[in-house]
Amino acid sequence: DARVTQTPRHKVTEMGQEVTMRCQPILGHNTVFWYRQTMMQGLELLAYFRNRAPLDDSGMPKDRFSAEMPDATLATLKIQPSEPRDSAVYFCASAGGGMNTEAFFGQGTRLTVV
Amino acid sequence: GENVEQHPSTLSVQEGDSAVIKCTYSDSASNYFPWYKQELGKRPQLIIDIRSNVGEKKDQRIAVTLNKTAKHFSLHITETQPEDSAVYFCAATGTYKYIFGTGTRLKVLA
Repeated sequence: DARVTQTPRHKVTEMGQEVTMRCQPILGHNTVFWYRQTMMQGLELLAYFRNRAPLDDSGMPKDRFSAEMPDATLATLKIQPSEPRDSAVYFCASAGGGMNTEAFFGQGTRLTVV
Repeated sequence: GENVEQHPSTLSVQEGDSAVIKCTYSDSASNYFPWYKQELGKRPQLIIDIRSNVGEKKDQRIAVTLNKTAKHFSLHITETQPEDSAVYFCAATGTYKYIFGTGTRLKVLA
Protein backbone atom coordinates (compact mmCIF):
# COMPACT_ATOMS: atom_id res chain seq x y z
CA ASP A 1 0.00 0.00 0.00
CA ALA A 2 1.91 3.02 -1.29
CA ARG A 3 1.73 6.04 0.99
CA VAL A 4 3.30 9.42 1.44
CA THR A 5 5.34 9.35 4.64
CA GLN A 6 6.01 12.41 6.76
CA THR A 7 8.27 12.78 9.74
CA PRO A 8 8.03 13.76 12.47
CA ARG A 9 4.30 13.38 13.14
CA HIS A 10 4.47 15.87 15.98
CA LYS A 11 6.99 18.55 16.85
CA VAL A 12 7.04 20.98 19.75
CA THR A 13 9.79 23.55 19.66
CA GLU A 14 10.71 26.85 21.19
CA MET A 15 10.47 30.08 19.30
CA GLY A 16 13.64 30.81 17.40
CA GLN A 17 14.61 27.18 16.89
CA GLU A 18 15.08 25.57 13.50
CA VAL A 19 12.48 23.04 12.40
CA THR A 20 12.92 20.53 9.59
CA MET A 21 10.01 18.47 8.29
CA ARG A 22 10.58 15.57 5.93
CA CYS A 23 8.46 13.86 3.32
CA GLN A 24 8.92 10.68 1.35
CA PRO A 25 6.64 10.81 -1.70
CA ILE A 26 5.13 7.71 -3.23
CA LEU A 27 7.75 5.94 -5.34
CA GLY A 28 7.52 7.13 -8.91
CA HIS A 29 5.56 10.28 -8.13
CA ASN A 30 7.30 13.30 -9.57
CA THR A 31 5.14 16.16 -8.28
CA VAL A 32 5.42 17.05 -4.61
CA PHE A 33 3.44 19.67 -2.71
CA TRP A 34 3.76 21.30 0.71
CA TYR A 35 0.59 22.65 2.34
CA ARG A 36 -0.08 24.34 5.64
CA GLN A 37 -3.35 23.90 7.48
CA THR A 38 -4.55 25.88 10.47
CA MET A 39 -7.68 25.41 12.58
CA MET A 40 -8.76 22.29 10.72
CA GLN A 41 -9.59 24.26 7.59
CA GLY A 42 -7.79 25.78 4.69
CA LEU A 43 -5.02 24.06 2.74
CA GLU A 44 -2.56 26.80 1.93
CA LEU A 45 -0.09 25.87 -0.80
CA LEU A 46 3.44 26.77 0.29
CA ALA A 47 5.52 25.24 -2.51
CA TYR A 48 5.56 22.48 -5.07
CA PHE A 49 8.11 20.62 -7.12
CA ARG A 50 8.03 18.87 -10.45
CA ASN A 51 10.83 16.37 -11.13
CA ARG A 52 12.61 17.82 -8.07
CA ALA A 53 12.63 21.33 -9.52
CA PRO A 54 10.75 24.01 -7.58
CA LEU A 55 7.94 25.33 -9.76
CA ASP A 56 6.31 27.72 -7.35
CA ASP A 57 7.13 28.74 -3.80
CA SER A 58 5.26 32.03 -3.84
CA GLY A 59 3.08 30.91 -0.94
CA MET A 60 6.03 30.57 1.35
CA PRO A 61 7.47 33.31 3.61
CA LYS A 62 10.89 33.52 2.01
CA ASP A 63 12.71 35.03 4.94
CA ARG A 64 12.23 32.00 7.18
CA PHE A 65 10.93 29.10 5.11
CA SER A 66 12.80 26.98 2.60
CA ALA A 67 11.81 23.87 0.67
CA GLU A 68 14.08 21.45 -1.14
CA MET A 69 14.17 18.05 -2.79
CA PRO A 70 17.64 16.63 -2.30
CA ASP A 71 16.60 13.55 -4.23
CA ALA A 72 13.49 11.95 -5.69
CA THR A 73 12.67 10.16 -2.43
CA LEU A 74 12.95 13.10 -0.04
CA ALA A 75 11.40 16.54 0.23
CA THR A 76 12.17 18.87 3.12
CA LEU A 77 10.53 21.97 4.55
CA LYS A 78 12.62 24.03 6.89
CA ILE A 79 11.67 26.93 9.13
CA GLN A 80 14.44 29.04 10.61
CA PRO A 81 13.82 30.76 12.95
CA SER A 82 10.42 29.39 13.96
CA GLU A 83 7.70 31.64 15.40
CA PRO A 84 4.48 30.86 17.32
CA ARG A 85 2.41 31.85 14.26
CA ASP A 86 4.01 28.95 12.37
CA SER A 87 2.06 26.52 14.57
CA ALA A 88 -0.06 24.45 12.19
CA VAL A 89 -0.28 21.08 10.50
CA TYR A 90 2.03 20.79 7.52
CA PHE A 91 1.00 18.33 4.84
CA CYS A 92 3.07 16.90 2.06
CA ALA A 93 1.32 15.44 -0.98
CA SER A 94 2.56 13.73 -4.11
CA ALA A 95 1.12 13.03 -7.53
CA GLY A 96 2.35 10.84 -10.35
CA GLY A 97 2.02 10.66 -14.07
CA GLY A 98 0.98 13.67 -16.09
CA MET A 99 -1.20 16.57 -15.16
CA ASN A 100 -4.61 16.11 -13.61
CA THR A 101 -3.98 13.14 -11.41
CA GLU A 102 -4.87 12.47 -7.81
CA ALA A 103 -2.68 14.00 -5.15
CA PHE A 104 -2.03 11.69 -2.20
CA PHE A 105 -1.48 13.28 1.20
CA GLY A 106 0.82 12.27 3.99
CA GLN A 107 -0.43 12.17 7.57
CA GLY A 108 0.98 15.60 8.28
CA THR A 109 3.37 17.08 10.81
CA ARG A 110 1.70 18.91 13.67
CA LEU A 111 4.03 21.74 14.62
CA THR A 112 3.69 23.70 17.84
CA VAL A 113 6.01 26.63 18.44
CA VAL A 114 5.96 27.91 22.00
CA GLY B 1 -3.61 34.55 -9.97
CA GLU B 2 -5.47 31.33 -9.44
CA ASN B 3 -8.23 31.31 -6.89
CA VAL B 4 -10.84 28.79 -5.75
CA GLU B 5 -13.79 29.95 -3.70
CA GLN B 6 -15.90 27.47 -1.75
CA HIS B 7 -19.30 27.87 -0.10
CA PRO B 8 -20.68 27.41 2.45
CA SER B 9 -17.98 27.27 5.10
CA THR B 10 -20.25 25.25 7.38
CA LEU B 11 -23.28 23.14 6.60
CA SER B 12 -25.59 21.23 8.89
CA VAL B 13 -28.14 18.77 7.54
CA GLN B 14 -30.42 16.18 9.00
CA GLU B 15 -29.50 12.57 8.44
CA GLY B 16 -31.03 11.40 5.19
CA ASP B 17 -31.16 14.86 3.64
CA SER B 18 -28.94 16.04 0.78
CA ALA B 19 -25.93 18.32 1.02
CA VAL B 20 -24.55 20.57 -1.70
CA ILE B 21 -21.19 22.33 -1.68
CA LYS B 22 -20.26 24.80 -4.40
CA CYS B 23 -16.93 26.02 -5.76
CA THR B 24 -15.90 28.59 -8.31
CA TYR B 25 -12.49 28.95 -9.91
CA SER B 26 -10.74 31.75 -11.72
CA ASP B 27 -8.16 30.06 -13.95
CA SER B 28 -9.80 29.21 -17.27
CA ALA B 29 -6.99 26.71 -17.93
CA SER B 30 -8.23 24.50 -15.08
CA ASN B 31 -9.39 21.13 -16.34
CA TYR B 32 -9.28 18.79 -13.36
CA PHE B 33 -11.52 19.19 -10.31
CA PRO B 34 -11.07 16.79 -7.40
CA TRP B 35 -12.95 16.72 -4.11
CA TYR B 36 -11.30 15.67 -0.87
CA LYS B 37 -12.77 14.62 2.46
CA GLN B 38 -10.87 15.20 5.68
CA GLU B 39 -12.01 13.57 8.88
CA LEU B 40 -10.91 14.98 12.21
CA GLY B 41 -7.22 14.46 12.79
CA LYS B 42 -6.68 12.69 9.48
CA ARG B 43 -5.27 13.45 6.07
CA PRO B 44 -7.42 14.69 3.16
CA GLN B 45 -8.46 11.88 0.87
CA LEU B 46 -9.92 11.95 -2.61
CA ILE B 47 -13.59 11.00 -2.82
CA ILE B 48 -14.46 11.94 -6.38
CA ASP B 49 -13.03 13.92 -9.27
CA ILE B 50 -14.15 15.24 -12.63
CA ARG B 51 -12.35 16.33 -15.75
CA SER B 52 -13.36 19.16 -18.03
CA ASN B 53 -14.63 16.93 -20.80
CA VAL B 54 -17.39 15.64 -18.52
CA GLY B 55 -20.33 17.58 -17.11
CA GLU B 56 -21.35 15.19 -14.35
CA LYS B 57 -20.01 12.17 -12.54
CA LYS B 58 -21.65 9.99 -9.94
CA ASP B 59 -20.39 7.41 -7.48
CA GLN B 60 -23.09 5.90 -5.29
CA ARG B 61 -24.33 8.70 -3.00
CA ILE B 62 -21.94 11.36 -4.20
CA ALA B 63 -21.95 13.26 -7.46
CA VAL B 64 -20.09 16.18 -8.93
CA THR B 65 -21.29 18.59 -11.60
CA LEU B 66 -19.17 20.97 -13.64
CA ASN B 67 -20.11 24.10 -15.56
CA LYS B 68 -16.98 25.23 -17.40
CA THR B 69 -18.66 28.25 -18.93
CA ALA B 70 -19.58 29.62 -15.53
CA LYS B 71 -16.40 28.23 -13.93
CA HIS B 72 -18.14 26.48 -11.12
CA PHE B 73 -18.52 22.94 -9.89
CA SER B 74 -20.49 21.36 -7.10
CA LEU B 75 -20.47 18.31 -4.84
CA HIS B 76 -23.77 16.62 -4.08
CA ILE B 77 -24.20 14.09 -1.29
CA THR B 78 -27.55 12.34 -1.08
CA GLU B 79 -29.01 10.36 1.80
CA THR B 80 -26.43 11.76 4.19
CA GLN B 81 -25.20 9.64 7.06
CA PRO B 82 -23.38 10.56 10.28
CA GLU B 83 -20.11 9.23 8.82
CA ASP B 84 -20.34 11.89 6.11
CA SER B 85 -19.53 14.49 8.79
CA ALA B 86 -16.13 15.91 7.87
CA VAL B 87 -14.46 18.85 6.16
CA TYR B 88 -14.71 18.78 2.37
CA PHE B 89 -12.30 20.55 0.03
CA CYS B 90 -12.65 21.27 -3.63
CA ALA B 91 -9.62 21.89 -5.84
CA ALA B 92 -8.89 23.01 -9.36
CA THR B 93 -5.82 22.47 -11.46
CA GLY B 94 -4.87 22.99 -15.06
CA THR B 95 -1.17 22.48 -14.70
CA TYR B 96 0.58 20.68 -11.90
CA LYS B 97 -0.51 23.25 -9.33
CA TYR B 98 -3.32 22.19 -6.99
CA ILE B 99 -5.27 25.10 -5.53
CA PHE B 100 -7.77 24.17 -2.82
CA GLY B 101 -10.89 25.92 -1.67
CA THR B 102 -11.19 27.01 1.95
CA GLY B 103 -13.18 23.97 2.99
CA THR B 104 -16.73 23.18 4.12
CA ARG B 105 -17.40 21.65 7.51
CA LEU B 106 -20.36 19.32 7.06
CA LYS B 107 -22.29 18.13 10.09
CA VAL B 108 -24.88 15.43 9.66
CA LEU B 109 -27.32 15.49 12.55
CA ALA B 110 -28.76 12.17 13.65
